[in-house]
Amino acid sequence: QSVLTQPPSVSAAPRQRVTVSCFGSSSNIGSNGVNWYQQLPGMPPELLIYYDDLLPSGVSDRFSGSRSGTSASLTISGLQSEDEADYYCSAWDDSLNGVVFGGGTKLTVL
Amino acid sequence: QVQLQESGPGLVRPSGTLSLTCGVSGDSFSTYNWWAWVRQPPGKGLEWVGEVNHSGSTNYNPSLKSRVTVSLDRSRSQFSLRLTSVTAADTAVYYCARGQTLPDNLSYYVLDVWGHGTTVTVSS
Repeated sequence: QSVLTQPPSVSAAPRQRVTVSCFGSSSNIGSNGVNWYQQLPGMPPELLIYYDDLLPSGVSDRFSGSRSGTSASLTISGLQSEDEADYYCSAWDDSLNGVVFGGGTKLTVL
Repeated sequence: QVQLQESGPGLVRPSGTLSLTCGVSGDSFSTYNWWAWVRQPPGKGLEWVGEVNHSGSTNYNPSLKSRVTVSLDRSRSQFSLRLTSVTAADTAVYYCARGQTLPDNLSYYVLDVWGHGTTVTVSS
């Protein structure tokens, strides 16, 4: 059971918008920045959003993130087939003194 | 550009010790970076294992703390993972990653660069 809670799956049609939620607690999301990773099949995770809402160089601006209280969300607009992947949220946890992850959300583009 | 590359045995016997190394290129082990291990069992999610910084300080996943050691070898530009008393539950893809922090922002921590991962199977 993961410290951060994500829905196991989400789906939407091409060109639509989808949001992935991530719920935590005061010791992780409530205190520290949230990062999001995209993992394509058979590939390592890749940083998608960092410190809540910042995009690494080269990441499409169709991806956006936000944090409020003890929850965070990832929004993907203008869905494309290549967005099909697993998405993980992550944050530092002050109580555990380590990194915690969500269980991952599998995105299906219908 | 920072690059990480894992190496080590792909098969470990039950009750044995898993030992992996991560070679680092393009980074000088700066003060604000941590060097981490993350694993992913087959078909499951990501689990943070532990990390080491430039001075040798470490942080470990509480659920693995009694069996894990992460160490740094600056002269060889690499860091290592040692996991003892392994069982089938330790079978996973093991990734090494760089953790970035900022000196003036304690809420900032991001695993920004990842290796390709190496598969370790625990089996007799």
